[in-house]
Amino acid sequence: DAKTTQPNSMESNEEEPVHLPCNHSTISGTDYIHWYRQLPSQGPEYVIHGLTSNVNNRMASLAIAEDRKSSTLILHRATLRDAAVYYCILRDVSTYKYIFGTGTRLKVLA
Amino acid sequence: DGGITQSPKYLFRKEGQNVTLSCEQNLNHDAMYWYRQDPGQGLRLIYYSQIVNDFQKGDIAEGYSVSREKKESFPLTVTSAQKNPTAFYLCASSKYIVRTYEQYFGPGTRLTVT
Repeated sequence: DAKTTQPNSMESNEEEPVHLPCNHSTISGTDYIHWYRQLPSQGPEYVIHGLTSNVNNRMASLAIAEDRKSSTLILHRATLRDAAVYYCILRDVSTYKYIFGTGTRLKVLA
Repeated sequence: DGGITQSPKYLFRKEGQNVTLSCEQNLNHDAMYWYRQDPGQGLRLIYYSQIVNDFQKGDIAEGYSVSREKKESFPLTVTSAQKNPTAFYLCASSKYIVRTYEQYFGPGTRLTVT
């Protein structure tokens, strides 16, 4: 299974943009890049996913490197409610399995 | 409202007892999953099921068992053979979106075995 590497923690000021990096140098051609986030004592929630092109939705943007070996989740204006653990996950389109790493704990400062 | 329910939220058991965790979904999803999360760690896959009456072992299936008799339900039994069962257990289901599968998670069950 392909692996992802993320920083353990990051801090951001409220209402500023946040760029959360993820390295996935062993990604295969059929792996989709998913991002989920988990608030304390809750189940993870879907944020965004992509394959090759950059993606935008109401929650965030996903920037994928041209060689697909890294990606960045962008929160355009961080709020206190965005404080969570963010997981970058690779998932092969042919399987149902997701491999979660330890994620990045985002702290948002008021 | 559609969603995934897990019950109970907190569960306490004595060592040596089997315990079954409930997971129900009304999202009409085909696939369901069980994960385990230890403090400060990511999620690890225990079992998953792609369709009724079929399931596969994940990465840490030893000491656990599941059944999938109905599309809506995927109960997990933690047996006495599981060496360190105290953990946060999460159930999820998935649908098909844009050639991949978004997972929806339940609120989790925190199991403590003493």
